[in-house]
Amino acid sequence: NAGVTQTPKFQVLKTGQSMTLQCAQDMNHEYMSWYRQDPGMGLRLIHYSVGAGITDQGEVPNGYNVSRSTTEDFPLRLLSAAPSQTSVYFCASSYGPGQGPRSGNTIYFGEGSWLTVV
Amino acid sequence: AQTVTQSQPEMSVQEAETVTLSCTYDTSESNYYLFWYKQPPSRQMILVIRQEAYKQQNATENRFSVNFQKAAKSFSLKISDSQLGDTAMYFCAFMKPLGGDDKIIFGKGTRLHILP
Repeated sequence: NAGVTQTPKFQVLKTGQSMTLQCAQDMNHEYMSWYRQDPGMGLRLIHYSVGAGITDQGEVPNGYNVSRSTTEDFPLRLLSAAPSQTSVYFCASSYGPGQGPRSGNTIYFGEGSWLTVV
Repeated sequence: AQTVTQSQPEMSVQEAETVTLSCTYDTSESNYYLFWYKQPPSRQMILVIRQEAYKQQNATENRFSVNFQKAAKSFSLKISDSQLGDTAMYFCAFMKPLGGDDKIIFGKGTRLHILP
């Protein structure tokens, strides 16, 4: 089924450990992004990409790295996990400018990744 | 920079009533998309309704409709005949579709409780 696939769904890390959250989409979307969701804070943008080889920082990029070597994949790396990074993470994708239906764009979300850093 | 503000952190209404969730945004762009997303306890993000800024007609999807006031930069969501399954967090989102800064910006959300 077409869509955005996020893995893992649940993860517990120890402080200082590193890990990668995987995100893949099969809709040929140019735009991909990572958000974290914390109580009362809504969805805050971590990093985003407007195409393969292009990434940029969002609102809360510190402690996270991303890369976009292919159109399909947009992994999020935690280099040295901290308890402040305990959160629910969402990957999202959509068509970019000039791509997709002229009738409008839609943001597709993964199912979320629950990360706990102890 | 674009911002999205949802001024109602939490709301409660009785089943079958009509409820309106507010959203205001700030942008200097003339063409953009606005969205309402629903997030039930499962945390899945579900598209409720979408509005394109160049369309003056308000979008409608069954019991859900919007009041889009472009000049006032307001994009409220009306839920008619509310149902228990409408209980969720609702997020308003802004997306600029044409080049440059393509960030998708979300409001902080409104938690809606439908009471039996």
